[in-house]
Amino acid sequence: EAGVVQSPRYKIIEKKQPVAFWCNPISGHNTLYWYRQNLGQGPELLIRYENEEAVDDSQLPKDRFSAERLKGVDSTLKIQPAELGDSAVYLCASSAVGRQVSDTQYFGPGTRLTVL
Amino acid sequence: AQKITQTQPGMFVQEKEAVTLDCTYDTSDPSYGLFWYKQPSSGEMIFLIYQGSYDQQNATEGRYSLNFQKARKSANLVISASQLGDSAMYFCAMREIQAAGNKLTFGGGTRVLVKP
Repeated sequence: EAGVVQSPRYKIIEKKQPVAFWCNPISGHNTLYWYRQNLGQGPELLIRYENEEAVDDSQLPKDRFSAERLKGVDSTLKIQPAELGDSAVYLCASSAVGRQVSDTQYFGPGTRLTVL
Repeated sequence: AQKITQTQPGMFVQEKEAVTLDCTYDTSDPSYGLFWYKQPSSGEMIFLIYQGSYDQQNATEGRYSLNFQKARKSANLVISASQLGDSAMYFCAMREIQAAGNKLTFGGGTRVLVKP
């Protein structure tokens, strides 16, 4: 069974440029998560989807970040415009159900973003 | 207050020896889950082991075991017979159903380096 797929793996952009990350979750997983991981820290949740619905986007900086999951499968996270402080690893994860405390999240390899 | 605390930023362990990674947590939610993930230098978060707050026995998965002390709010990971491939960052995480909107909160991580 294929794991969570993310692309690109690495991205280097100039500040003020737009950038987009793509994620394809594990087949059959209806819950999808985007996390941001700053250097030397644990991941922090940006947004969580259950099917097409964003059920928790309280940590998403909505002035410059947006996300979508149009058909309840793959998802795109966008930053426009990027700032120097956005340099981080962006991780996508998926889980089968999303509402049980035991529901395990499986992560993709992440996209390492560098903003110059 | 930190929800998840990992007090060991880094540690060395001799190959074939056991190592214990500390994790303490803070919650008032009666139902919660505790997870450990491994993050090698490649960046992917790999799920290792899960412990539910109502589980009577400590979780085990191969060489990984979780020393769960509910009254002390600790969930230490024990890796037995360390291998060179165990060198990585290790993150403890907690999922609370009620208090935190069902999201996964991570600690700051512990870096483990296995010496041959």
